[in-house]
Amino acid sequence: DGGITQSPKYLFRKEGQNVTLSCEQNLNHDAMYWYRQDPGQGLRLIYYSQIVNDFQKGDIAEGYSVSREKKESFPLTVTSAQKNPTAFYLCASSEQGMNTEAFFGQGTRLTVV
Amino acid sequence: KQEVTQIPAALSVPEGENLVLNCSFTDSAIYNLQWFRQDPGKGLTSLLLIQSSQREQTSGRLNASLDKSSGRSTLYIAASQPGDSATYLCAVIPIKAAGNKLTFGGGTRVLVKP
Repeated sequence: DGGITQSPKYLFRKEGQNVTLSCEQNLNHDAMYWYRQDPGQGLRLIYYSQIVNDFQKGDIAEGYSVSREKKESFPLTVTSAQKNPTAFYLCASSEQGMNTEAFFGQGTRLTVV
Repeated sequence: KQEVTQIPAALSVPEGENLVLNCSFTDSAIYNLQWFRQDPGKGLTSLLLIQSSQREQTSGRLNASLDKSSGRSTLYIAASQPGDSATYLCAVIPIKAAGNKLTFGGGTRVLVKP
């Protein structure tokens, strides 16, 4: 059953703590993306990767880091430098090329406590 | 910079009525447009992908049209059901954007009343 798996579903972070969100896909897609969703603001791109061992900053990369060591995995670390991390985080993937469909995971809700 | 707008932000209709959802974008230079559905607290489910060379796409009760010259897309859902209640988002891939990055609208929250 192909798809994108995000874990955990809920995550709580203490002030000053780094946390890592997992994203795994078995669709054999080259491109992967991380978006942040806030109420009333829509989805904003954090980072994206078009190929293993390469990634690019999106519109709101400050306070986040990623790695792409394997094709199927694209973890996102929310660092202590991210001042307002409470949000819903969505991972997506797609094939390379201009007319490809994007698929999303079920999301991780991160809350600062 | 490409901007995508969805109006209205919320919509309520009685069961059985046809739904018409609007999406507008400022730059017609796009590769494709994609419609998604999002249930509360869930991820996005892809509904339809319209390539820039196409005028419409259909899947079951769903039909999406694309008019690049006017920067508009419309999602039609025939004979709405309470299970259609969700937020619907549209997104485009601008030609000028590297990495096939999607630009999203703010979504239309739909309530279908029994």
